[in-house]
Amino acid sequence: EAQVTQNPRYLITVTGKKLTVTCSQNMNHEYMSWYRQDPGLGLRQIYYSMNVEATDKGDVPEGYKVSRKEKRNFPLILESPSPNQTSLYFCASRQSQGSGELFFGEGSRLTVL
Amino acid sequence: AQSVTQLGSHVSVSEGALVLLRCNYSSSVPPYLFWYVQYPNQGLQLLLKYTSAATLVKGINGFEAEFKKSETSFHLTKPSAHMSDAAEYFCAVIAGGYQKVTFGTGTKLQVIP
Repeated sequence: EAQVTQNPRYLITVTGKKLTVTCSQNMNHEYMSWYRQDPGLGLRQIYYSMNVEATDKGDVPEGYKVSRKEKRNFPLILESPSPNQTSLYFCASRQSQGSGELFFGEGSRLTVL
Repeated sequence: AQSVTQLGSHVSVSEGALVLLRCNYSSSVPPYLFWYVQYPNQGLQLLLKYTSAATLVKGINGFEAEFKKSETSFHLTKPSAHMSDAAEYFCAVIAGGYQKVTFGTGTKLQVIP
C-alpha cells in the first residue's frame, strides 16, 4: 500500500529537549516536504526536499532542521524545542515534476511544555 | 509569488443543501490548483485538481470545481451535502517551478441534519 508514515503520532516534551519526527514514504517520490498546521493559519511549509541531499527552506524554517540522506526518509529535527513549536506536523511527498498531488502522512501532534 | 485566499473559515449547510466553498488565487503564471479534504485526526487527501485541461473538474465524493481565470477563482461545489462531508477543506496552488505548494487557511464544513 502506498503511504507516508510518520512517527511518533503524539509527543509531549519539554523545552530544550531535542527530538526527531521521522517520515518515510514507499512511493519512490523525489519530492518530500514538512508542514505545520495551526488553527486559523492553515498549512505552512517548513522545509522541502527535491531529492537526496537537496533541501531548502519553506516559509517557517526557524527552529527546525531536516536531512535527506535516503530517498525514502525525511526526518524533521527540533534541536531545542520551544512552546511556540507546539503544533500538528505533516510530512508529504509527491513526484518532483508536474502537477502531482501531495500524499500526506497522518500527522504528528507535538506539545512542548 | 503565489497565494490562496479561502473566504469563510466556517461554513454550515443543511443536509441535502448545496455546498459552496470559495477559493481565490493569485499567481503570475498559469497555476495548478487543488482541493484537499481533511477528516478529523487524519492527514489531507486529494479531492480534485486543475491542471490546465478542462476548466470544470470533477473529483471524488460528488465534488467539483470550476477554474475561472477572469475571476482568479476555483470554488468547490457539491449539489447535495451529506453528513459524511463534514471536514476541513483546503485549497492549494502550485505555480512556476513546482517546488512550492501554497495552502489556504482552510474552511471547516459543518453539515446540519
